[in-house]
Amino acid sequence: EVQLVQSGAEVKKPGESLKISCKGSGYSFTSYWIGWVRQTPGKGLEWMGIIYPPDSDTKYSPSFQGQVTISVDKSISTAHLQWRSLEASDTAMYYCARVTRDAISGYLQPFDHWGQGTLVTVSS
Amino acid sequence: QSVLTQPPSASGTPGQRVTISCSGSSSNIGSNSVYWYQQLPGTAPKLLIYRNNQRPSGVPDRFSGSKSGTSASLAISGLRSEDEADYYCAAWDASLRGPVFGGGTKLTVL
Repeated sequence: EVQLVQSGAEVKKPGESLKISCKGSGYSFTSYWIGWVRQTPGKGLEWMGIIYPPDSDTKYSPSFQGQVTISVDKSISTAHLQWRSLEASDTAMYYCARVTRDAISGYLQPFDHWGQGTLVTVSS
Repeated sequence: QSVLTQPPSASGTPGQRVTISCSGSSSNIGSNSVYWYQQLPGTAPKLLIYRNNQRPSGVPDRFSGSKSGTSASLAISGLRSEDEADYYCAAWDASLRGPVFGGGTKLTVL
């Protein structure tokens, strides 16, 4: 069974740093891209970026480029999402999810399996 | 403002058939498959439809998807109370080189 298990909820102050994680199991972790998605009540689901575990090739959404860092440790099948300096506007639920690949064309497609989510609250 | 456009709400009575629309452009829906997700309250999104009209194992055949040009639809027949959830469409966007989502449709079962 494919599982993506995320780290627990975080409460941080503005200006603090944070790194959350997502551990994959039940499939070949290095065969699939992994992505991060932000969900806020006002803006719904937003793609932040994706990473390919074998070589850490990373693609960021223009909206999040420079705001966060996505990394991966393939030795422990874990992806990370990191902030250097949090802002109140980063308060949201963050999901990791596995990127699919179309079986016919081979092109990347949206997510099939999702983690349970990590709630990040940034407040002074 | 989401890249894909969905109605914010939809409703129906038990047993009815409801449809949810999703509109995009040539760089996303027009050139790639549409995916649909169901998000029950307090849970993560769950894949409902992939490649426009395919259901993952375990998804009831009451759920069906279709696509035409730059638009897509999700249909739910034989509506049940447990279908009350938020529904999101998604597609890969060739210009953004990543997935884009609709704003979500909140389905209420009256």
